Amino acid sequence: EIVMTQSPAILSVSPGERATLSCRASESVYNNLAWYQQKPGQAPRLLIYGASNRATDIPTRFSGSGSGTDFTLTISSLQSEDFALYYCQQYNNWPPLTFGGGTKVE
Amino acid sequence: EVQLVESGGGLVQPGGSLKLSCVGSGFTFSSYWMSWVRQAPGKGLEWVANIKQDGSEIFYADSVKGRFTISRDNAKNSVSLQMNSLRPDDTAVYYCARAGAGDYLVWFETWAQGTLVTVSS
Repeated sequence: EIVMTQSPAILSVSPGERATLSCRASESVYNNLAWYQQKPGQAPRLLIYGASNRATDIPTRFSGSGSGTDFTLTISSLQSEDFALYYCQQYNNWPPLTFGGGTKVE
Repeated sequence: EVQLVESGGGLVQPGGSLKLSCVGSGFTFSSYWMSWVRQAPGKGLEWVANIKQDGSEIFYADSVKGRFTISRDNAKNSVSLQMNSLRPDDTAVYYCARAGAGDYLVWFETWAQGTLVTVSS
């Protein structure tokens, strides 16, 4: 099973600042990595797939990078609506499909 | 508009059964892998099961294997999760999700609203 580790667990950022979230895989997942955003009481929303491809209607301030085992989600200028939980997920080698433990942006 | 609507959650006693259903609209249902993902209260996301476009391949998380059954009816644009021998640690919000366009490259493109399953006596 591929273990996904996200850091930090909590990221404190001010509106307008840049946020950098990390995700590390226990073995290479190439670029088969997705990022999701989840707000309280809501379903997750796909942000990024293929490590760097923005999903439909996702603002350009969200960008993904990395390949192999190390990945980054960057929010270039944090908006109030971006305060949420963020999860990464690998889909290179499954089952099982695995998620990271999440980063809370506050 | 691509949409997934779930039904079937609720309170069930340990050892009991429950069936969740999910209906898709706004896309060609038979062209996509479908999945169930769950989230225990205050916890992260856990993949539960996947079913291929034509139902020919099915995969489960070890935690539910032998107890849960995923199925689909492409004529009705629906996917179901039959949950048997439920345990308290199955308590979670269950999400139906549609995969992205890649075959065997299963990321979760679209999510339903989630339905709470509570296993308690």
